[in-house]
Amino acid sequence: EVKLEESGGGLVQPGMSVKLSCATSGFTFSDYWMEWVRQAPGKGLEWVAEIRNKANNYATYYGKSVKGRFTISRDDSKSIVYLQVNSIRSEDTGIYYCTTYYFDYWGQGVMVTVSS
Amino acid sequence: DVVLTQTPPTLSATIGQSVSISCRSSQSLLDSDGDTYLNWLLQRPGQSPQLLIYSVSNLESGVPNRFSGSGSETDFTLKISGVEAEDLGVYYCMQATHAPYTFGAGTKLELK
Repeated sequence: EVKLEESGGGLVQPGMSVKLSCATSGFTFSDYWMEWVRQAPGKGLEWVAEIRNKANNYATYYGKSVKGRFTISRDDSKSIVYLQVNSIRSEDTGIYYCTTYYFDYWGQGVMVTVSS
Repeated sequence: DVVLTQTPPTLSATIGQSVSISCRSSQSLLDSDGDTYLNWLLQRPGQSPQLLIYSVSNLESGVPNRFSGSGSETDFTLKISGVEAEDLGVYYCMQATHAPYTFGAGTKLELK
């Protein structure tokens, strides 16, 4: 059974940092490109970041609204994908989901609330 | 960035009714590898999104065959042939041909 489980969210002060994790199991993680997608409260889905696999040199890509502040990374030995969020802003508030490149498996999401 | 325009924003349907959702792209989603990476997802209230259709018309495993997708280049349609109560929620088209990947604004399917 494929599982993705996000963690690391919570209440964060503006300008601070948070690191989200997505632990996976049930598939060959190292073969997959992985994605982060977020959803602001009551809003639609927004693609955030992608990290490709070793065969694609672990290339990373970011949405324009997060480029330069967010960093996606992975640990193939642990089957975990991370999202480092720096200089966090109020507009970063929302649920963060990890998913595979095929968008076929999703975690339950982790809530990040930016507030002082 | 590719803009995906979904219509209608809201859809009211009765159980058993057939409905369609349109997704128009600001540029062709035909990739250089010959595939078109246009997907349809459903997000039920309080749940994570669920993949329904990938690459325009391919039904994801486990998804009922009352869902179907069609289209090409810039014009795409999701059809539900006989809405059931479990189909209620927000439908999103999304493209993964051009980075940054983008989603449509969503179509909320409600019971009439």
